[in-house]
Amino acid sequence: GQQLNQSPQSMFIQEGEDVSMNCTSSSIFNTWLWYKQDPGEGPVLLIALYKAGELTSNGRLTAQFGITRKDSFLNISASIPSDVGIYFCAGQLGGYGNKLVFGTGTILRVKS
Amino acid sequence: EPEVTQTPSHQVTQMGQEVILRCVPISNHLYFYWYRQILGQKVEFLVSFYNNEISEKSEIFDDQFSVERPDGSNFTLKIRSTKLEDSAMYFCASSQANQPQHFGDGTRLSIL
Repeated sequence: GQQLNQSPQSMFIQEGEDVSMNCTSSSIFNTWLWYKQDPGEGPVLLIALYKAGELTSNGRLTAQFGITRKDSFLNISASIPSDVGIYFCAGQLGGYGNKLVFGTGTILRVKS
Repeated sequence: EPEVTQTPSHQVTQMGQEVILRCVPISNHLYFYWYRQILGQKVEFLVSFYNNEISEKSEIFDDQFSVERPDGSNFTLKIRSTKLEDSAMYFCASSQANQPQHFGDGTRLSIL
């Protein structure tokens, strides 16, 4: 089946530092999404990417859709304590109502 | 902002019993989904639903599982003859055509 591997698995950074994480796939996707999950809650959409090469920002977050359509990265600038959580990438093939394939997750912890 | 709501937040059930997990998708969304997340693992797709029928289902979604949209607002997941390994967080999601999926906060299912 389709596998999405995220790296790093976890990171422990100083408040104010920039963060970079990525997601690689064994197969191509037409849409890449990044979600954040806080403890006891559902995934919350951060950024959606629809075209290979696309670079999109949402506040301090920036994500890119890899040209090969098999990878994506997420950057967080100037991290703050509320950035703590698990970040999941998800890939989706084209077509309405298609399933999301989730990555393995990156756990972010921030030292204040 | 409209959101997906799920009830109950926590369900404890004896092994072998049937459970029904309930979801109210965002009102103008047409595509509905169930996902599962075993503790500490990634989110896994179970089933998608559109126009009163299943669009796609994973190998996890066997005869033990069923979904229903009993009225214009609710979307339910029924699990028959529950097993210990069914213990997980179950997330409902919904979307408009070709738009990102939005998730509820999940139901924690504990099978004893």
